[in-house]
Amino acid sequence: DQQVKQNSPSLSVQEGRISILNCDYTNSMFDYFLWYKKYPAEGPTFLISISSIKDKNEDGRFTVFLNKSAKHLSLHIVPSQPGDSAVYFCAASAFRETSGSRLTFGEGTQLTVNP
Amino acid sequence: DTEVTQTPKHLVMGMTNKKSLKCEQHMGHRAMYWYKQKAKKPPELMFVYSYEKLSINESVPSRFSPECPNSSLLNLHLHALQPEDSALYLCASSQGQGYSYEQYFGPGTRLTVT
Repeated sequence: DQQVKQNSPSLSVQEGRISILNCDYTNSMFDYFLWYKKYPAEGPTFLISISSIKDKNEDGRFTVFLNKSAKHLSLHIVPSQPGDSAVYFCAASAFRETSGSRLTFGEGTQLTVNP
Repeated sequence: DTEVTQTPKHLVMGMTNKKSLKCEQHMGHRAMYWYKQKAKKPPELMFVYSYEKLSINESVPSRFSPECPNSSLLNLHLHALQPEDSALYLCASSQGQGYSYEQYFGPGTRLTVT
């Protein structure tokens, strides 16, 4: 049961344009969402997060939007740069009193930014 | 310092070998995690330690044995592995095992079981 889905395995964008990466989730208990970037042969790097009490969080070129009613979030990168080329993972978490947090990852989207 | 270090970077082991993976962080984080990642797949949680105690074991086979000697160190002991255990093993840490605490990942150990 894939609780976090990234339906686009790949996305190609021109340098300077906007990159929009999408993520859908099914578990209504998720209340915290994160985006990670991963280069080959490296561990995932935390990018940006958003709590379910917000609908937008911005950090420099990166903005995450959350639509709780649609169970959908998206990551916008503006302007896109060639160095942004990487696999982007969406992750979600639900607080559990006994076991704490557990991240559930999507399958990832390979972003390629062309010069 | 937001670094999580992992050693070794690469490991090749036979099915009868015993080896260990090591992870270290000096951010004062109190939760540490082991993940397994296969090619073109997302990381899968294996174990969680919170305040040096094992709090989550995701039904991992006993040939994987975690250990947390202190709040900065996390080991994963490997014994009698199978070729299908070949993967990238990632360590992560977070401030606490609360829902809003971002996890910081190490670079991983690329394990090949022959």
